[in-house]
Amino acid sequence: AAGVIQSPRHLIKEKRETATLKCYPIPRHDTVYWYQQGPGQDPQFLISFYEKMQSDKGSIPDRFSAQQFSDYHSELNMSSLELGDSALYFCASSWGGGGMAGYTFGSGTRLTVV
Amino acid sequence: DQQVKQNSPSLSVQEGRISILNCDYTNSMFDYFLWYKKYPAEGPTFLISISSIKDKNEDGRFTVFLNKSAKHLSLHIVPSQPGDSAVYFCAASVGAGSYQLTFGKGTKLSVIP
Repeated sequence: AAGVIQSPRHLIKEKRETATLKCYPIPRHDTVYWYQQGPGQDPQFLISFYEKMQSDKGSIPDRFSAQQFSDYHSELNMSSLELGDSALYFCASSWGGGGMAGYTFGSGTRLTVV
Repeated sequence: DQQVKQNSPSLSVQEGRISILNCDYTNSMFDYFLWYKKYPAEGPTFLISISSIKDKNEDGRFTVFLNKSAKHLSLHIVPSQPGDSAVYFCAASVGAGSYQLTFGKGTKLSVIP
């Protein structure tokens, strides 16, 4: 079965550079979520989109922006990267909100800022 | 402020025995609770969930218990298998259609053959 696809799997950027992470949800899923997991930390909710509109916002820095496109894929844009942005970024998708049924996560993008 | 707490960072259990993973929460608005399992280099995988109107939900070898008055839930795995070795995250949400899950820090379970 098709899963949530994230690209790239690994990304190395320098401080102050820009990064774009992509997420392709499971077909027919209309909701996409972004989470950030720092080393030894729990996944922290960043932002979510339902039907191409922002549905909820968490601890996403102002330097980051995201959107969901007409084909339901989503991109997380990160500018003026800082060393502390180094983390595993997970995307997840669901049909509608995932409070009870949970979401399906992708394998994540590991971002390293040097 | 950690709203979902998993106080045991790791747990080792003998194969065939019961694994009990614990989770506490502080936000009384949470009404849905989920467990995720995560292998290295993979995203978390949804395991089982429970609504606050129930105190128990069972799915095969996995049972989740919820004690609302104590704001505590636990995941029981019986019998434990080596393939269960992974990091288990407890998560909570407000509302069945919530767009946001609040995760605990995870407990690394090692099942010893």
